Amino acid sequence: QSALTQPRSVSGSPGQSVTISCTGTSSDVAAYNFVSWFQQHPGKVPKLIIFDVTKRPSGVPDRFSGSKSDYTASLTISGLQAEDEADYYCCSFAGSYTLVFGGGTKVTVL
Amino acid sequence: QVHLVQSGDEVKKPGASVKVSCKASGYTFTGYAFSWVRQAPGQGLEWMGWISTANGNTKYAQEVQGRVTLTTDTSTSTAYMDLRSLKSDDTAVYYCVRVGVNGWHLDYWGQGTLVTVSS
Repeated sequence: QSALTQPRSVSGSPGQSVTISCTGTSSDVAAYNFVSWFQQHPGKVPKLIIFDVTKRPSGVPDRFSGSKSDYTASLTISGLQAEDEADYYCCSFAGSYTLVFGGGTKVTVL
Repeated sequence: QVHLVQSGDEVKKPGASVKVSCKASGYTFTGYAFSWVRQAPGQGLEWMGWISTANGNTKYAQEVQGRVTLTTDTSTSTAYMDLRSLKSDDTAVYYCVRVGVNGWHLDYWGQGTLVTVSS
């Protein structure tokens, strides 16, 4: 299956909001409410920050929120902070016990 | 607390095989499936496959189908990823990841194992 489509980079100033899109197909994002998002700092292990489109694991700040409309899922970071500078990846269930990732988005805090 | 501890980094020659282990602790091993994910240097995340710890059922990504085998040993709470006929573009960090219950999210990750394929 093809990778989900994410913008290569987004940026914002501290305190602003940024939104990362993740576009899939009728076989993955549009078909299931199993979209998750991961944050990865350089040299570190990816960390789950959103699952099942909108849910946050314990300990993840509520500045991170997820949504979905048709073929596109989105991650919004509100009140951007310096420590939010990282790579972000979306991931969707694609049926038949398979998962597919997006290409990743680099978030820069200006 | 949940811990996934992977085996150490490996250096292999093209055509060889590698087997990476992932020992789980802090939860009931057979209650959760595993996926394996890899990340080539400077690249994104790539899903490789899924295995049920309850019955051993597996599903592999097309990109590695035929070269990868996922297994688990419930007696030692360990998952394994075996990759054969290694090529230079298999050079990557390989992660074992627990699949969350009642869903398809990857909730706990191992620390990663760097596999370098070089002649």
